[in-house]
Parts: sequence; C-alpha cells; structure tokens
Amino acid sequence: DTGVSQDPRHKITKRGQNVTFRCDPISEHNRLYWYRQTLGQGPEFLTYFQNEAQLEKSRLLSDRFSAERPKGSFSTLEIQRTEQGDSAMYLCASSRAPPVHTEAFFGQGTRLTVV
Amino acid sequence: AQSVTQPDIHITVSEGASLELRCNYSYGATPYLFWYVQSPGQGLQLLLKYFSGDTLVQGIKGFEAEFKRSQSSFNLRKPSVHWSDAAEYFCAVGARSGTYKYIFGTGTRLKVLA
Repeated sequence: DTGVSQDPRHKITKRGQNVTFRCDPISEHNRLYWYRQTLGQGPEFLTYFQNEAQLEKSRLLSDRFSAERPKGSFSTLEIQRTEQGDSAMYLCASSRAPPVHTEAFFGQGTRLTVV
Repeated sequence: AQSVTQPDIHITVSEGASLELRCNYSYGATPYLFWYVQSPGQGLQLLLKYFSGDTLVQGIKGFEAEFKRSQSSFNLRKPSVHWSDAAEYFCAVGARSGTYKYIFGTGTRLKVLA
C-alpha cells in the first residue's frame, strides 16, 4: 500500500493557461474524490468517481474544470483558462465502496498558484 | 443544511498540557465522523474515526474523541500535548450512503508552547 499519490506537488501558472493534475489512488480503492482547499478553510468536495464513472459534481466545479478517470485507475483534473481564484490546494482521496467501506485516504495535494 | 462547526480557529497550549478541540455538526442522521490532521503544505492524515459502536474512540498519536449524539458533537482530546502536535486539525462528517463525500469544518490551528 503506497498511499494516494498526486503529481505535481506544486504548480505555478500564468492566468489563462491550462493545467492538469494527476492522482493515483490506492490500488484496491474503487472510489476516488477531488477536493479543493483554500487558505484558512477546510477541504470542499468537487467531484467523485466510482470506478470510471463520474457520479457527482459539486456546483464549485465550473465548466472550466473537467475530471476523468479512464479505466477506473488514475484520475486527472484539468482546469482551463485558469483564474487567480483557482489558486488553492487540490486534494485527491480514495476509498473502498461498501460492503467493505473504508474511510478516505488523502494524498499530499497539489498546490496551484495562478499569477 | 449539513455543516460542521469548529468554533476555535486558534488554540495555544503548553507542552504537556491537556487538549480538547471542539466539533459540532448539523446533519440529517448520524453520519460517519472523522478527525484529520494537516501539517503545513501537506495532505490530511486520519487521526481517528467513528462508524458505529463505542462512542469513545481511540486514535493514533494518543488522541481520542467522544461522540455525543444528544449534543451533535465529536470533540477531540489528548491528555498531554507534545510539541510535534502543532498542526491544523479538521473535523469531518461523511454520508453513510450515496457518495460518502465528506463535509469539513474550517479547522483549528494548534500552537504548542515549549
């Protein structure tokens, strides 16, 4: 069990550029979540996948955001035409679905700075 | 609306002193309950969780938490704080069905004085 892995750990980009983050969940976990955390706040739910299906998206996930999980393994989160308000820590988490439900295990996060 | 309240934004304690971090939640039914800890620039590490059963749960690093249904609370405690406990602590609730997504509080930043 190598834990949830996120890449890159840090990303600085200019406003208007596109960025893509990757998350590799724990291998036997079929649920994968993306959260966003801004300074001084707790993480906020963005979206979740069960296997390859994206089953829920938060209203926080504007149309500039897109997430995929091809083949039900790793996931990517893309932000198009980045804005300064997108600066945040993006956290990925994974868990098992019932009947063997587990708590969510979080990665180290990707910190995005939009300048 | 579902929410988690951590009323203390900052707490400062002396090393060796006891600690209690408060967490109250508003939820339709009894959710799953969690405490996570986050060091600067890092992800979240699970300290402990409540799914069912004994309402006093033990976690890692000497932490414990007590679920009180009547008060909708899940306070975190530690009898003797170590300097390495300085971090930010998040209480979270999780759905028992559907997405199992979590709702987090805004966190409590703990400072430990030597």
